[in-house]
Amino acid sequence: SQKIEQNSEALNIQEGKTATLTCNYTNYSPAYLQWYRQDPGRGPVFLLLIRENEKEKRKERLKVTFDTTLKQSLFHITASQPADSATYLCAWMDSSYKLIFGSGTRLLVRP
Amino acid sequence: DTAVSQTPKYLVTQMGNDKSIKCEQNLGHDTMYWYKQDSKKFLKIMFSYNNKELIINETVPNRFSPKSPDKAHLNLHINSLELGDSAVYFCASSQDKGSSYNSPLHFGNGTRLTVT
Repeated sequence: SQKIEQNSEALNIQEGKTATLTCNYTNYSPAYLQWYRQDPGRGPVFLLLIRENEKEKRKERLKVTFDTTLKQSLFHITASQPADSATYLCAWMDSSYKLIFGSGTRLLVRP
Repeated sequence: DTAVSQTPKYLVTQMGNDKSIKCEQNLGHDTMYWYKQDSKKFLKIMFSYNNKELIINETVPNRFSPKSPDKAHLNLHINSLELGDSAVYFCASSQDKGSSYNSPLHFGNGTRLTVT
């Protein structure tokens, strides 16, 4: 079955460092991946979309890569800040045109 | 201006009751969704409507019935509530529906349903 997996363990880093979150997918080749941020008690908020023919996408301190050979997308936050602490979700559209979300990785940035 | 709003934010009810959750979007989007987020934080799609037409109907109990009176509204009615229905339900909207489109989803802030 088509699967999308994120590291379920929380990522705990020091302010100013780069946070790197991983999204792996199996048994399917999505045309694009989306990344969302979710804060406690709130709905997910869209951050970035990357297409399969794009190696890298940037938006301010955020960078997303898409490696179709490794079947992996990496999400980077440079110069991380405590305000970046949240859960980050990757999502892809499966062969039935449903947007499927990973379980998310919780990021904690220590001051 | 809230783009996707859902009410109520919290809903506590007893087993066997019937309840509804309402959702409205003011983004002018054509497609609306209901997602369920369980205690393990998995977001799972339940339904999707495009211009009031049901286009995605996942394997959910038929106690759950979505209703779309117009393309700006998608309500969720749940009959005979069970303990396992306790979760956070999110409404979302997007400009386009599946296929080759890749519009991001705009989510509401969720309705936390607790069934006792």
